[in-house]
Amino acid sequence: QVQLQESGPGLVKPSETLFLTCAVSGYSISSGYYWGWIRQPPGKGPEWIGSVHHSGSTYYNPSLKSRVIVSVDTSKNQFSLKLTSVTAADTAVYYCARHFALTTPPGWFDPWGQGTLVTVSS
Amino acid sequence: DIVMTQSPDSLAVSLGERATINCKSSQSVLDSSNNNNYLAWYQQKPGQPPKLLIYWASTRESGVPDRFSGSGSGTDFTLTISSLQAEDVALYYCQQYYSTPLTFGGGTKVEIK
Repeated sequence: QVQLQESGPGLVKPSETLFLTCAVSGYSISSGYYWGWIRQPPGKGPEWIGSVHHSGSTYYNPSLKSRVIVSVDTSKNQFSLKLTSVTAADTAVYYCARHFALTTPPGWFDPWGQGTLVTVSS
Repeated sequence: DIVMTQSPDSLAVSLGERATINCKSSQSVLDSSNNNNYLAWYQQKPGQPPKLLIYWASTRESGVPDRFSGSGSGTDFTLTISSLQAEDVALYYCQQYYSTPLTFGGGTKVEIK
């Protein structure tokens, strides 16, 4: 059974960098699929941030691309999100998820981690 | 970007009755080369992450009760709960994966009348 768990600071100051990690258990990242990050501001729908393949191939949301890096560490079976120059608008619950790659671009997300709330505030 | 618009924002349905949620995309998500609609549906209960219900617009994920069904093609899609159960109270989202950026609808809240 694939499980994902996000970790990282819950509070980030404006203009600083947000860094989150997603640990995957029950499945080897190197075996396939893309692995994605999605965020959900309070009371709003989800927003896709970006996804990475174990080969290093990535897809990014153009609205965030200039500030985002999604990377993978196969030795630790985890992947990470780096978001620079954060503002209050980046306050959200951040989820990691397995991203099915039967299509180009990759398709649906399943399963999702429990999510972690990141607040941007001084 | 493909904009996904869901309606209604919320609906209240009696237990055992049918619930219907609509999702409209700003452009077609049908790939005519394979006749597949690049659309998924998710259920999100309070305090939980979204859970995949349906992909390819109408293929139920393993373990999802058969009271959930997806239909539609092109730009207009529907998620139907044929007989609402108490555990179906949740937010429901559609998502297109036809092109990047992948986009989600704003959500529909289903409650018990």
